[in-house]
Amino acid sequence: ETGVTQSPTHLIKTRGQQVTLRCSSQSGHNTVSWYQQALGQGPQFIFQYYREEENGRGNFPPRFSGLQFPNYSSELNVNALELDDSALYLCASSVDRGEKLFFGSGTQLSVL
Amino acid sequence: AQSVTQLDSHVSVSEGTPVLLRCNYSSSYSPSLFWYVQHPNKGLQLLLKYTSAATLVKGINGFEAEFKKSETSFHLTKPSAHMSDAAEYFCVVSRPYNTDKLIFGTGTRLQVFP
Repeated sequence: ETGVTQSPTHLIKTRGQQVTLRCSSQSGHNTVSWYQQALGQGPQFIFQYYREEENGRGNFPPRFSGLQFPNYSSELNVNALELDDSALYLCASSVDRGEKLFFGSGTQLSVL
Repeated sequence: AQSVTQLDSHVSVSEGTPVLLRCNYSSSYSPSLFWYVQHPNKGLQLLLKYTSAATLVKGINGFEAEFKKSETSFHLTKPSAHMSDAAEYFCVVSRPYNTDKLIFGTGTRLQVFP
């Protein structure tokens, strides 16, 4: 078990709605990365936050946005939800953008 | 650009027999390579990583992987499968010391039969 916790564990939304997913990083970790894992696929990098600043972004549209707070917890916000946004969203924390990532169990988002 | 290809979407073995999960990579840089495991309803866990120090990398739970530059491969092996090894395994590539973007393969589901 890692110290990375994500909430909620499951979520159902309808097209066009907005959603906020939350991640508490492991104690002492100042970097949070978000990944999207569609059914039957590997996770895809969305973006990373390091010391409250965005530090790298994958190939996702601007309606995917995020925040990192002074305690290094993080939020992922998705606006104007589409059916294809249905996926498992994973959060990972690390120290100083290091290569050892600790993943949470994820939030399963279903868009109807 | 970097990418990884996992050659098998499913692998089935009997308990106590060897495990081989195959991965080929493509990278314009000297790559960092990883294997992660994902058990149902649990987060991804790092099994092992290669960062050019040694071509044979030992990981947790008896797994190891060999980096072969000539074959652009990084296959994961275990001499004897255990029931608890049943899970989804991902081969991953990133730039060395720059893990702001991990690139995952599509995964290999390992089934272990008694």
